[in-house]
Amino acid sequence: NAGVTQTPKFQVLKTGQSMTLQCAQDMNHNSMYWYRQDPGMGLRLIYYSASEGTTDKGEVPNGYNVSRLNKREFSLRLESAAPSQTSVYFCASSGERQGAGEQFFGPGTRLTVL
Amino acid sequence: TQLLEQSPQFLSIQEGENLTVYCNSSSVFSSLQWYRQEPGEGPVLLVTVVTGGEVKKLKRLTFQFGDARKDSSLHITAAQPGDTGLYLCAGAGGGKLIFGQGTELSVKP
Repeated sequence: NAGVTQTPKFQVLKTGQSMTLQCAQDMNHNSMYWYRQDPGMGLRLIYYSASEGTTDKGEVPNGYNVSRLNKREFSLRLESAAPSQTSVYFCASSGERQGAGEQFFGPGTRLTVL
Repeated sequence: TQLLEQSPQFLSIQEGENLTVYCNSSSVFSSLQWYRQEPGEGPVLLVTVVTGGEVKKLKRLTFQFGDARKDSSLHITAAQPGDTGLYLCAGAGGGKLIFGQGTELSVKP
């Protein structure tokens, strides 16, 4: 099993460009999450999906959109990238609906916006 | 808004020393998780504590959940260079996890 996979691993964008970060899990988990990680700020939740067909905003949703394409895949889209979105993005999944269970993380996407 | 304050933010110690990392909140959590993250990788779960006052041991690591389920601590005995990494606490509530800022631990040989 691959667990949680993310593509791409690295990306450099210019201000105003758009891109989609892809995430897939093969553990048959119901819940999926997108976080960003910045120095000294831990992990901050951008959006999450408790089950296929549902998505909810997290702590820092502005500037992002998500799609839960099916049970396996959860994508994060930046419509018009800004330098403040330079960060490391992590996708995670969990078998627990209420967020209390273990979350399994992908390896991350390192995004730089110039 | 639920917040988790983690301290210290940075810790640099010599091999063989003991250390404690704290995770505090004014909110009650249904459970609290501790993760460890190595450079270039995603966090990996170390332990989940659920019951107030619970103590769990994982080799040289001891985790404690406060009686009121608002705080937690991680104690490492006789730290080794292999313990180096970022330690994150995360409280469960409202269908999601709230993460602390993390503690960057460096253990020098």
